[in-house]
Amino acid sequence: LAKTTQPISMDSYEGQEVNITCSHNNIATNDYITWYQQFPSQGPRFIIQGYKTKVTNEVASLFIPADRKSSTLSLPRVSLSDTAVYYCLVGYNNDMRFGAGTRLTVKP
Amino acid sequence: DTEVTQTPKHLVMGMTNKKSLKCEQHMGHRAMYWYKQKAKKPPELMFVYSYEKLSINESVPSRFSPECPNSSLLNLHLHALQPEDSALYLCASSQGASHSYEQYFGPGTRLTVT
Repeated sequence: LAKTTQPISMDSYEGQEVNITCSHNNIATNDYITWYQQFPSQGPRFIIQGYKTKVTNEVASLFIPADRKSSTLSLPRVSLSDTAVYYCLVGYNNDMRFGAGTRLTVKP
Repeated sequence: DTEVTQTPKHLVMGMTNKKSLKCEQHMGHRAMYWYKQKAKKPPELMFVYSYEKLSINESVPSRFSPECPNSSLLNLHLHALQPEDSALYLCASSQGASHSYEQYFGPGTRLTVT
C-alpha cells in the first residue's frame, strides 16, 4: 500500500494559485491518485483523480510526473471558502486509507 | 440524487447502552464504507462492504458490529463502547469496490460516549 506524505499546513491569500504536493514513492502500477477536501464537521468531498500526466476539472488540476512518485494538486485563484484540509490518497482496491492531509488556510 | 444520508446527526450514549448508526444511499452504489474520525485527525477506515458482503474489517473491536441489510443501507451497531470511541463516524459509498471510483461521504454522526 503506497504511503503518502504531504505538508502539514499551508497558508495562502485570496486570489492566489495554491499548489499542494504529495509524495508517494512506492506507488504501484495500478494505483490511482485521488484528492479529497474536507471542511470541519463534514465528510470529505472528492476533488479530482488521475493516473498519469495532467487532469483538469472545473475546480482543480492534478499534475503527475512520468515517474508518478509525486503529484501536485493545483487550486487556481483560491477564496476564503477554500480553507479546508486536503487529502491525497493512492491505491487501487477499496482499501481507502487517508494520510495526514494538508490544512490550507486562505487569508483575506 | 447524489446524497449519502446518516442518522442520527448526534448521539450521546453511556458505556452500557446499545445503539445503532444508520447510513443510506440511493445512487445504486455497490460498495459502502464506515470510517471513524477523531478531532484534527484523518478518517480511519473501519469496514468495507462490497455487494453487501463484508470485504474489509480493519481489526475493529467487536463492540462495533456492521450490518448491510441491502445494497442501499448500512448500519453500525454499537455496544459497550468506551469514552475513547467518541468521534465523528462517517459513512461513504462508491459505484464499485475500487479506488478508481469516487467515494461519496455522508455528513457523519457525532458520537459521544459518557
